[in-house]
Amino acid sequence: NAGVTQTPKFQVLKTGQSMTLQCAQDMNHNSMYWYRQDPGMGLRLIYYSASEGTTDKGEVPNGYNVSRLNKREFSLRLESAAPSQTSVYFCASSVTFKGNEQFFGPGTRLTVL
Amino acid sequence: QQQVKQSPQSLIVQKGGISIINCAYENTAFDYFPWYQQFPGKGPALLIAIRPDVSEKKEGRFTISFNKSAKQFSLHIMDSQPGDSATYFCAASSDTGRRALTFGSGTRLQVQP
Repeated sequence: NAGVTQTPKFQVLKTGQSMTLQCAQDMNHNSMYWYRQDPGMGLRLIYYSASEGTTDKGEVPNGYNVSRLNKREFSLRLESAAPSQTSVYFCASSVTFKGNEQFFGPGTRLTVL
Repeated sequence: QQQVKQSPQSLIVQKGGISIINCAYENTAFDYFPWYQQFPGKGPALLIAIRPDVSEKKEGRFTISFNKSAKQFSLHIMDSQPGDSATYFCAASSDTGRRALTFGSGTRLQVQP
């Protein structure tokens, strides 16, 4: 099992460009999450999908959109990138939404110039 | 509003010593308290977790102490080893309130040989 995979690993964008971060899990988990990690601020939830077919905003959703393509895949889209979106992005999944271990992917390091 | 406050921001411990990281939370509805460990360039991974029906949970050299009345919980790493050098995050979530995990800001632990 690969667990949670993310692509790309690194990306540099110019302000205003768009891109989609891809995430897939092969653990048959119901819930998936997108976080951003910034120095001194821990991990902040951007969006989550408690189950296939549903998505909800997290703590910092502005400037992002998500798609739960199927049970395995959960993508994060930046429509018009801004320097404030420079961060490391992590995708995670869990069996269910409530009180279960979250398994994290290796992260995508995004720089917006 | 930071709902989970973590301290210290960084910690240096000698090999064989005890590492202690503290977290305080505000939301009394939180009922699941995990600790995650993150090595450089990797995603976080679950280390140990506790629910408020117990005051302490031990797994090997790692112990969570939980004080419900004070709304605090802490991670103790006994006999700290250089391989424990990593960033540690506490987190909390509420099953009943359908709140996803809220993470603390992280503690960078360095264990010196």
